Amino acid sequence: GIQVEQSPPDLILQEGANSTLRCNFSDSVNNLQWFHQNPWGQLINLFYIPSGTKQNGRLSATTVATERYSLLYISSSQTTDSGVYFCAVEPLNQAGTALIFGKGTTLSVSS
Amino acid sequence: DTGVSQDPRHKITKRGQNVTFRCDPISEHNRLYWYRQTLGQGPEFLTYFQNEAQLEKSRLLSDRFSAERPKGSFSTLEIQRTEQGDSAMYLCASSPRTSGEQFFGPGTRLTVL
Repeated sequence: GIQVEQSPPDLILQEGANSTLRCNFSDSVNNLQWFHQNPWGQLINLFYIPSGTKQNGRLSATTVATERYSLLYISSSQTTDSGVYFCAVEPLNQAGTALIFGKGTTLSVSS
Repeated sequence: DTGVSQDPRHKITKRGQNVTFRCDPISEHNRLYWYRQTLGQGPEFLTYFQNEAQLEKSRLLSDRFSAERPKGSFSTLEIQRTEQGDSAMYLCASSPRTSGEQFFGPGTRLTVL
């Protein structure tokens, strides 16, 4: 089945720094989502981005489907950005079914 | 706008007991999914419903697990004869007819003693 790899596994930043999280996937996908999991376990939708670039405040994401990767940019990081960031993909030809998750990037932002 | 809700939020049980979890999806979302997440891992798919039909089940879903969505609205996930290895966060998600974007509930954290 499709493999989803996220890097780096852990990231420690000072407040105000910028960061880039990467998601590589091994096969073609219908869709790709980025989530932020807060300390209570809730998965919060960040982006639904099968291709192209989107921005939402300090966060932006780019997916290059032909090269099988996606990037999540966090600018001017804040302590509230801390948590685990997951990339998840929906394999091609399996529309509307399971998301396959990476292992996540754990981000710690200190003041 | 009401999101996906799950009940209970926490469940502690003894090995061998049966447990049942409930998920209420976002109104009018026709697809509903169950996932399981263990410490340090991403969520893993368990099963998927479109309306009331269970269309896909993962190999992770042993015969001790059963899920239903009787009227195409809320869903239940039952685990029979729980084992310590069943301890995990159980997550429910839903998606609308028009898009594959999935929205997750807060999860039910199960601890089997």
